[in-house]
Amino acid sequence: GDSVTQMEGPVTLSEEAFLTINCTYTATGYPSLFWYVQYPGEGLQLLLKATKADDKGSNKGFEATYRKETTSFHLEKGSVQVSDSAVYFCALRWSSGGFKTIFGAGTRLFVKA
Amino acid sequence: ETGVTQSPTHLIKTRGQQVTLRCSSQSGHNTVSWYQQALGQGPQFIFQYYREEENGRGNFPPRFSGLQFPNYSSELNVNALELDDSALYLCASSTDSKETQYFGPGTRLLVL
Repeated sequence: GDSVTQMEGPVTLSEEAFLTINCTYTATGYPSLFWYVQYPGEGLQLLLKATKADDKGSNKGFEATYRKETTSFHLEKGSVQVSDSAVYFCALRWSSGGFKTIFGAGTRLFVKA
Repeated sequence: ETGVTQSPTHLIKTRGQQVTLRCSSQSGHNTVSWYQQALGQGPQFIFQYYREEENGRGNFPPRFSGLQFPNYSSELNVNALELDDSALYLCASSTDSKETQYFGPGTRLLVL
């Protein structure tokens, strides 16, 4: 069945370090792909999305490219801040046939000053 | 613009009881989805409502049911609560079934 796999956390980085959080998916067809962020005690916030192969989503310095050939949607940021500390979720969503959204297990990021 | 709101924020129930959680969609949104997020895990899709009808469902038993009202607000009902139902329940709304979802802050349910 369809699934999303994220790298296990926690990921601990120093401020201004480069961030990569890996995400791969298994799906029949071409779903839309998303990254959500969840700050402590809060709900999910959409960070970025891509709706078709080779699309690049970007927001707040984060970016991810929809790679059909490697079925991946890795999240990157060139210089992290302490305020980026949160849990990041990769997800896929179908635009038909039940509109199911499948989330990865999440990756916790800690950024040290 | 008012975002997605959920009530209550926290709830404690005992096994076998029934619970109703509520969600108010973001203004202009006609689609609502519900998710269960167990501690330390990603959200699991429960079901989606579009214009008052269920149009998608995940792998949850029938004791999880829902409603969407003409103003597009929604309820999630869970009967015969089990200990494993303890989780954060998230509601998300969108302008259409295909569009980006916006999440509420969630209701944290504890079943004792």
